[in-house]
Amino acid sequence: QKEVEQNSGPLSVPEGAIASLNCTYSDRGSQSFFWYRQYSGKSPELIMSIYSNGDKEDGRFTAQLNKASQYVSLLIRDSQPSDSATYLCAVSDSNYQLIWGAGTKLIIKP
Amino acid sequence: DVKVTQSSRYLVKRTGEKVFLECVQDMDHENMFWYRQDPGLGLRLIYFSYDVKMKEKGDIPEGYSVSREKKERFSLILESASTNQTSMYLCASSPRGSGSDEQFFGPGTRLTVL
Repeated sequence: QKEVEQNSGPLSVPEGAIASLNCTYSDRGSQSFFWYRQYSGKSPELIMSIYSNGDKEDGRFTAQLNKASQYVSLLIRDSQPSDSATYLCAVSDSNYQLIWGAGTKLIIKP
Repeated sequence: DVKVTQSSRYLVKRTGEKVFLECVQDMDHENMFWYRQDPGLGLRLIYFSYDVKMKEKGDIPEGYSVSREKKERFSLILESASTNQTSMYLCASSPRGSGSDEQFFGPGTRLTVL
């Protein structure tokens, strides 16, 4: 069974600090990795995608991928109260599907 | 921008009713998906489709069926609604052959079965 694991949280981070979210996956053949943000009562929206080992930066967000260790992480710099949401990690399988983690709830405290 | 729309944001139905949830995408995507999302359980795949008139079972297809008569439209059908089908239903689409499996979501339908 292919799995994606995330700490459910909640993860509480002071405003302005760095929030670090982690995800591990079981399928070594996975090629695409995604972070989605989901506000309460809303649908998931893509915030980062990463396909190769290393870091990928987009504004305040940095995704990190380590295929050898089978983990992917998301760093949010200068955290804002508007970043409070549930963050879903998703990993591709070989059939155009995504395998989803259960999500980490992030709370940014003013 | 990719746009995925769902027919209703909120829906209340009675046990035993037949329920239709509609999803339409305007980006000519080949792949379409239906998920349900419940607290603590994450996203669970119900059915997906790679092309018109094609459908594949996901992880939890029992009690559901789907229809894809046109490329842009993917319908989820609850043949006889039950209270345990009360949930948030999310439709998503993705392009095939783009090298990425990124999925784009509709706004969701919160279904309550009484």
